[in-house]
Amino acid sequence: DAKTTQPTSMDCAEGRAANLPCNHSTISGNEYVYWYRQIHSQGPQYIIHGLKNNETNEMASLIITEDRKSSTLILPHATLRDTAVYYCIVRVAGNNNAGNMLTFGGGTRLMVKP
Amino acid sequence: EAQVTQNPRYLITVTGKKLTVTCSQNMNHEYMSWYRQDPGLGLRQIYYSMNVEVTDKGDVPEGYKVSRKEKRNFPLILESPSPNQTSLYFCASSLSRVSTDTQYFGPGTRLTVL
Repeated sequence: DAKTTQPTSMDCAEGRAANLPCNHSTISGNEYVYWYRQIHSQGPQYIIHGLKNNETNEMASLIITEDRKSSTLILPHATLRDTAVYYCIVRVAGNNNAGNMLTFGGGTRLMVKP
Repeated sequence: EAQVTQNPRYLITVTGKKLTVTCSQNMNHEYMSWYRQDPGLGLRQIYYSMNVEVTDKGDVPEGYKVSRKEKRNFPLILESPSPNQTSLYFCASSLSRVSTDTQYFGPGTRLTVL
């Protein structure tokens, strides 16, 4: 799976959009971009994933650049409960990974402030 | 509500005293797995199961056992716990092991072995 690079930490004001960037310059054609988050000591929570088109769900939007070398997760109206570590990971589509293991990097620690 | 549950949430035990951490999911998922999370080491997969009676080792299986007698349950067994198994444990499940299937995580079990 391709390596990703994220800023270590970010702040966001409550009610504003939080834009979390991720670089994945070595991504290959059959790799998806996934976002998970982990609120302190809780289980990781799936947010969204995409291949090349922008995606939106009830939690967030995912914007993937045309060359797919980077992406941005957007939380449109951040709340205090969105304070968490956000992980961007790139995974090959299909079932090549026998254990379907998720591997998180360092992630971005998002602090939403009142 | 679709969920993965783990019990207990917190456990303090002593070296050598056998323990079991239960995991149950109500989504009829085929795939389940166990991870441990330690500071600086991220998530590491212990064991996984692709279906009833089908289990396999992840990256760090030593000192652990699992069983999958029913689809919904995937207990983690520590026959003789040691202090290096002090960690935060997560159970996860997904519909299958296809990478695009969302993985749902339990709330975590914080284990301390004295």
